[in-house]
Amino acid sequence: NAGVTQTPKFQVLKTGQSMTLQCAQDMNHNSMYWYRQDPGMGLRLIYYSASEGTTDKGEVPNGYNVSRLNKREFSLRLESAAPSQTSVYFCAIGVRTGGEGRYFGPGTRLTVT
Amino acid sequence: GENVEQHPSTLSVQEGDSAVIKCTYSDSASNYFPWYKQELGKRPQLIIDIRSNVGEKKDQRIAVTLNKTAKHFSLHITETQPEDSAVYFCAAFYSGYSTLTFGKGTMLLVSP
Repeated sequence: NAGVTQTPKFQVLKTGQSMTLQCAQDMNHNSMYWYRQDPGMGLRLIYYSASEGTTDKGEVPNGYNVSRLNKREFSLRLESAAPSQTSVYFCAIGVRTGGEGRYFGPGTRLTVT
Repeated sequence: GENVEQHPSTLSVQEGDSAVIKCTYSDSASNYFPWYKQELGKRPQLIIDIRSNVGEKKDQRIAVTLNKTAKHFSLHITETQPEDSAVYFCAAFYSGYSTLTFGKGTMLLVSP
């Protein structure tokens, strides 16, 4: 029972390159989330998926796209990376009675040069 | 949308002292308030939460209080230990949009 896994753990990209961050869960929860964490900014929601087949924008969606491949997997794609996207990215699932809480994956540290 | 303010941004205490972190929220319809602890290089982890129908909740050395009228909630850590050193985040959940909004975090440093 791995909980929430993310790949890769670390990545360095050049400006303009693209990549996909992968997230998978084996806890059978409906809602999944992508956050970015920057120093002094807390955790900001990029995109979320309330259930398989649905996705919605969060607070900071520009420059990103997502895919809810199935109930287990939720990926985040950077089509043309920019230095402003240097951050730590966390995937999370909704837990607690109504999905209000968050259980986070281990994170991906991304640097864009 | 919801706005969560967290204070202080940094807090230094001596081992054995108490620590208090305060948060305010803007939307009176928010009804769930979790607290997360994030150690350096690790993921945020839920340490305690409280719902709007409860005024206080305690779990060993940590407690959370909620004042719905004033729209603020606080984390209290008693008898602090060096392993309590971490960044703590508060959050507020607004059921209308099913969104969880985080504060910007408090770095707690407990010195031996």
